[in-house]
Amino acid sequence: QMQLVQSGAEVKKTGSSVKVSCKASGYTFTYRYLHWVRQAPGQALEWMGWITPFNGNTNYAQKFQDRVTITRDRSMSTAYMELSSLRSEDTAMYYCAPGGSPGTFDIWGQGTMVTVSS
Amino acid sequence: QSALTQPASVSGSPGQSITISCTGTSSDVGSYNLVSWYQQHPGKAPKLMIYEVSKRPSGVSNRFSGSKSGNTASLTISGLQAEDEADYYCCSYAGSSTRFGGGTKLTVL
Repeated sequence: QMQLVQSGAEVKKTGSSVKVSCKASGYTFTYRYLHWVRQAPGQALEWMGWITPFNGNTNYAQKFQDRVTITRDRSMSTAYMELSSLRSEDTAMYYCAPGGSPGTFDIWGQGTMVTVSS
Repeated sequence: QSALTQPASVSGSPGQSITISCTGTSSDVGSYNLVSWYQQHPGKAPKLMIYEVSKRPSGVSNRFSGSKSGNTASLTISGLQAEDEADYYCCSYAGSSTRFGGGTKLTVL
């Protein structure tokens, strides 16, 4: 069955960067866009961007355009989300999810908690 | 790129029906039949309940239904059960981006 396994929790200093991984299994990695969505404690879901694993094309939400980089390793069926210039407001659970039809996420990774402190 | 608008909370008694609205604009909900709904229990990842406005994934109870009119989408849950108590988020394709609603906390009284 389709499964996404993300890397473990991270604690980072303000101004540093974090890179979260998402390993896919149970489906053809290159066939589906791979999205990243975050959720700050007690807050709503927030879409960050996607990558097409087939050719590496990316599309980022305007809010994160300058700070996020999504990459992939096709040989490992793994996608990565790197967020730079971290601030306290970036403290959140980060999820990866392959896209079905646009705006549809039928499975989700287990989430990676990123905590940013000074 | 504003979030879609949902009521902060709704409540209902077991067996009753409730509806959660999700208001967007002509750039998202109004332009595409690509609205989805997610259920999230505390400490868990979101779960897809409705996609493409009104389609139910395999395994989701037929007590959950979706619809859309203009710039507003709706999720209706009939025959409320205790396990339906959760946060619910709408989501819409918006061309170059994807937008989520602010979330609605459903309380089963």
